[in-house]
Amino acid sequence: EPEVTQTPSHQVTQMGQEVILRCVPISNHLYFYWYRQILGQKVEFLVSFYNNEISEKSEIFDDQFSVERPDGSNFTLKIRSTKLEDSAMYFCASINPASNTGELFFGEGSRLTVL
Amino acid sequence: AQKVTQAQTEISVVEKEDVTLDCVYETRDTTYYLFWYKQPPSGELVFLIRRNSFDEQNEISGRYSWNFQKSTSSFNFTITASQVVDSAVYFCALSELNTGTASKLTFGTGTRLQVTL
Repeated sequence: EPEVTQTPSHQVTQMGQEVILRCVPISNHLYFYWYRQILGQKVEFLVSFYNNEISEKSEIFDDQFSVERPDGSNFTLKIRSTKLEDSAMYFCASINPASNTGELFFGEGSRLTVL
Repeated sequence: AQKVTQAQTEISVVEKEDVTLDCVYETRDTTYYLFWYKQPPSGELVFLIRRNSFDEQNEISGRYSWNFQKSTSSFNFTITASQVVDSAVYFCALSELNTGTASKLTFGTGTRLQVTL
């Protein structure tokens, strides 16, 4: 069964360092998303991406964050200068809008720990 | 603005008991989708169901059933004859049908279900 894959599964970094989280969405999907879950809290929308551009972003997604799809398969989330409060699980997701179930497929997450 | 409330923070049941997880939502849109996701201890998000706002039929899938009541803005989830493997955090979520972001989900805070022997 096709799945969304994310790497790394866990990354530990020092405050102020740049981090890139990578995602490979399902191949025929057209919409891509990043969500964030701070430990023990709810899952929050960060950004959606369609047709090689951001279609919507939340207030969390400030200038420290960026996304790109450099090669047609990978979908990356970059945090330019990490802060302690960026520590969270980051989920990539994708969807084929033509899907009957409307299922948004999530990856298994990348846990980011900022020290 | 849309909002999802899961008032039950944590529920503990003994195996084989039935359990209902409550979800109440707020939206100004007339067209929207409601979802349930399961997050087991391993951390991934497992899709359980999507229901659109025009379909108020209840749904049953094995031991799982969902009760959508538009009049009370609720989308409750019942597990019949619970099992230890059902132990997880369950999230209810809502998406409004905005162009290009039809799957921008607003999640509730989740309900942690603990099923013991």
